[in-house]
Amino acid sequence: GAVVSQHPSRVICKSGTSVKIECRSLDFQATTMFWYRQFPKKSLMLMATSNEGSKATYEQGVEKDKFLINHASLTLSTLTVTSAHPEDSSFYICSVFPLLVTDTQYFGPGTRLTVL
Amino acid sequence: KQEVTQIPAALSVPEGENLVLNCSFTDSAIYNLQWFRQDPGKGLTSLLLIQSSQREQTSGRLNASLDKSSGRSTLYIAASQPGDSATYLCAVMAGTYKYIFGTGTRLKVLA
Repeated sequence: GAVVSQHPSRVICKSGTSVKIECRSLDFQATTMFWYRQFPKKSLMLMATSNEGSKATYEQGVEKDKFLINHASLTLSTLTVTSAHPEDSSFYICSVFPLLVTDTQYFGPGTRLTVL
Repeated sequence: KQEVTQIPAALSVPEGENLVLNCSFTDSAIYNLQWFRQDPGKGLTSLLLIQSSQREQTSGRLNASLDKSSGRSTLYIAASQPGDSATYLCAVMAGTYKYIFGTGTRLKVLA
């Protein structure tokens, strides 16, 4: 499968600060990437669809001003958690969807965010 | 709205047993269904991908079936091993190419 990287793999921050998570597609160019969130012992929940060159599409209940998504190039999407609070502590996973190449998504290794 | 459910939520079996994990989804209009494995604190490992036109896929000791009309998929694990212990997730890709994940089955294989 395709290689997708996330950076950082783990981050601890203080409440009120902002944290940026990068998702890079190393094998494919992708106009579409997805961001998921996973709370402890829960399944993955889709947060938003990241579209290269346009605004992200957020799922119902996800605050777009809190979770800023920037898809500046065909291989990079970033998720910024603004003014982080302890309840934002979670496992964030991105995926790449190279539609013209395949009809499945390739997932990154995830980023563990802990907000103190 | 597509909903994906997995049964059982947790399963503990002795080593060597054959076992079946179940996944059901409410909307049969899917592009594909994928089974993943997730180890504690780790990301996802893709196990099997079944296209909507396919009925099953096999890889080693794993076999996944898909019955789109009834909204069901099963993952069959033969001769289970302690190394198979993990959480297993199924996910369906529906319109707009989004994956909707199931609730997961936590499997523990006892040595």
